[in-house]
Amino acid sequence: GAGVSQTPSNKVTEKGKYVELRCDPISGHTALYWYRQSLGQGPEFLIYFQGTGAADDSGLPNDRFFAVRPEGSVSTLKIQRTERGDSAMYLCASSLVEGSLNTGELFFGEGSRLTVL
Amino acid sequence: AQSVTQLDSQVPVFEEAPVELRCNYSSSVSVYLFWYVQYPNQGLQLLLKYLSGSTLVESINGFEAEFNKSQTSFHLRKPSVHISDTAEYFCAVNGGGTSYGKLTFGQGTILTVHP
Repeated sequence: GAGVSQTPSNKVTEKGKYVELRCDPISGHTALYWYRQSLGQGPEFLIYFQGTGAADDSGLPNDRFFAVRPEGSVSTLKIQRTERGDSAMYLCASSLVEGSLNTGELFFGEGSRLTVL
Repeated sequence: AQSVTQLDSQVPVFEEAPVELRCNYSSSVSVYLFWYVQYPNQGLQLLLKYLSGSTLVESINGFEAEFNKSQTSFHLRKPSVHISDTAEYFCAVNGGGTSYGKLTFGQGTILTVHP
């Protein structure tokens, strides 16, 4: 498809379980971002990939959260030992980086809603 | 550190009325400023942005925002709203550097346009 694709759109799990959320960015976009949005709040930055490497993971809340992008395209956000406080909408975005110039526009997916019971 | 404050969580207006959604930011460095919009059951979309140059920026659907450095504001305005403008609007700031997409968002303002 033409846009950022996220799967699953909804995930319900039990406390303590492991969860993976997938993001397929727009083809050709080298930059990929994960954000988390809690109810009634704006999105909060988690991690940023430039190519295959995590350029900035300062927003990951703790070591239960991990993200990979092994081939520089699809990314997976992994959450271990889920807690009820992890319940949120997880948003993925991608952007086109042209040399040292970035247009500043992020293209967001529709998100994966995670509910931890 | 940067922060963004959207002063109104909900703004109800009637169709064809003017609207202003307020946004203030704090940052110790030069910033890039954005408004993103989320229509019902859709992902966030860029509405308009200020990167440099003219402090007044416009969107294709009639919204405009003015970067005011002295007041650290980036309020969003539209002179006459439509039912289709009903959505949640997010103001965001980026401090440049290498992570251009590392945005700090405000809490969002829900704009509801009534007939």
